[in-house]
Amino acid sequence: GIQVEQSPPDLILQEGANSTLRCNFSDSVNNLQWFHQNPWGQLINLFYIPSGTKQNGRLSATTVATERYSLLYISSSQTTDSGVYFCAVAGTGRRALTFGSGTRLQVQP
Amino acid sequence: GAVVSQHPSRVICKSGTSVKIECRSLDFQATTMFWYRQFPKQSLMLMATSNEGSKATYEQGVEKDKFLINHASLTLSTLTVTSAHPEDSSFYICSAAPTFSSYNEQFFGPGTRLTVL
Repeated sequence: GIQVEQSPPDLILQEGANSTLRCNFSDSVNNLQWFHQNPWGQLINLFYIPSGTKQNGRLSATTVATERYSLLYISSSQTTDSGVYFCAVAGTGRRALTFGSGTRLQVQP
Repeated sequence: GAVVSQHPSRVICKSGTSVKIECRSLDFQATTMFWYRQFPKQSLMLMATSNEGSKATYEQGVEKDKFLINHASLTLSTLTVTSAHPEDSSFYICSAAPTFSSYNEQFFGPGTRLTVL
């Protein structure tokens, strides 16, 4: 099946700093989503982005499908941004998502 | 819109008992729902694909007789953990995508934390 790799696995930032999270995938996809898992376990949809670029406030994402990677940018980070960020993809012909191992982000005041 | 609920949010049971978890799409219809399991400090792993009106499709290594899935309507899927044992303790999360949508975006429930004593 499709492989998904996220980097870095852990990231510690000072409040106000910017960061870039990366997601590499091994095959063509028809779905790519970024999630933020809060401390209670709820997955919050950040972006549905199988290709192209999107922005939502301090967050933006870019997927280059032909090169099989996606980037999540967090600008002016806040302590509430702390948590685990997951990238998940669905390969061509599939609907179920395969998740990466996540990036654990800690934003310190 | 696109809200998915799960019930219960937390359950503690004795070894050998069965536990049923409900997943509902509140404001859309979903022909297909998905069940995932997440162990502490790990990622989400797909357990099975739940199809309305037909049998579920299980991932390799997932015991279909232990994890019974019923997708009785376009808004409800249930996962029953039969004869639960401590190793079944985990965080179970369901997801769904609107059937009549040009996108494949999936929405996740808040999860159910199962503890088997």
